[in-house]
Amino acid sequence: GQQLNQSPQSMFIQEGEDVSMNCTSSSIFNTWLWYKQDPGEGPVLLIALYKAGELTSNGRLTAQFGITRKDSFLNISASIPSDVGIYFCAGQVKTSYDKVIFGPGTSLSVIP
Amino acid sequence: EAGVAQSPRYKIIEKRQSVAFWCNPISGHATLYWYQQILGQGPKLLIQFQNNGVVDDSQLPKDRFSAERLKGVDSTLKIQPAKLEDSAVYLCASSLRPGPNTGELFFGEGSRLTVL
Repeated sequence: GQQLNQSPQSMFIQEGEDVSMNCTSSSIFNTWLWYKQDPGEGPVLLIALYKAGELTSNGRLTAQFGITRKDSFLNISASIPSDVGIYFCAGQVKTSYDKVIFGPGTSLSVIP
Repeated sequence: EAGVAQSPRYKIIEKRQSVAFWCNPISGHATLYWYQQILGQGPKLLIQFQNNGVVDDSQLPKDRFSAERLKGVDSTLKIQPAKLEDSAVYLCASSLRPGPNTGELFFGEGSRLTVL
């Protein structure tokens, strides 16, 4: 079945640095989504991408939908302490009910 | 607008006991999801409802897990009997509708289950 891979698994960066993380799959997805999860909370949507090649920004966050529709990346510029958390990519499969599948996550730690 | 409500937040039970989780989605959201999130992993879809009908339960361990969504609003997820490997956070999410250019799921805070 469909499976998503995320890299890196975890990262430790200094405050102010830029961050880049990737999501890949052997399957094609119609929509790519990036969620962030804080401890003890449910995931919250950061960015949604609906077209191959699409580049979308949300404040300091930028994400792209890969041309092959099998990958996506998320960049965070000028990281701040509140960026700490787990970032999940998710892919939406084109079915009659549009299933959403999550990757294993990238854990981000920001050192002040 | 009220978010997705889940209860209880925490539950500790012995193996072979039963447990039930409740979810009230955002008003008007047609689609409701139950995900299982084991520590250090991403959410795994257990069951997806469209209104009060099941559209995907392919990863639900049906010998021990059951879920219902009466009247297309709130939902309960039950585990009976529980196993050690069921220890996880059970996340409920809802979305407005299926279809293209969607995928925005709104999650509750989750119900953390510990099976001893």
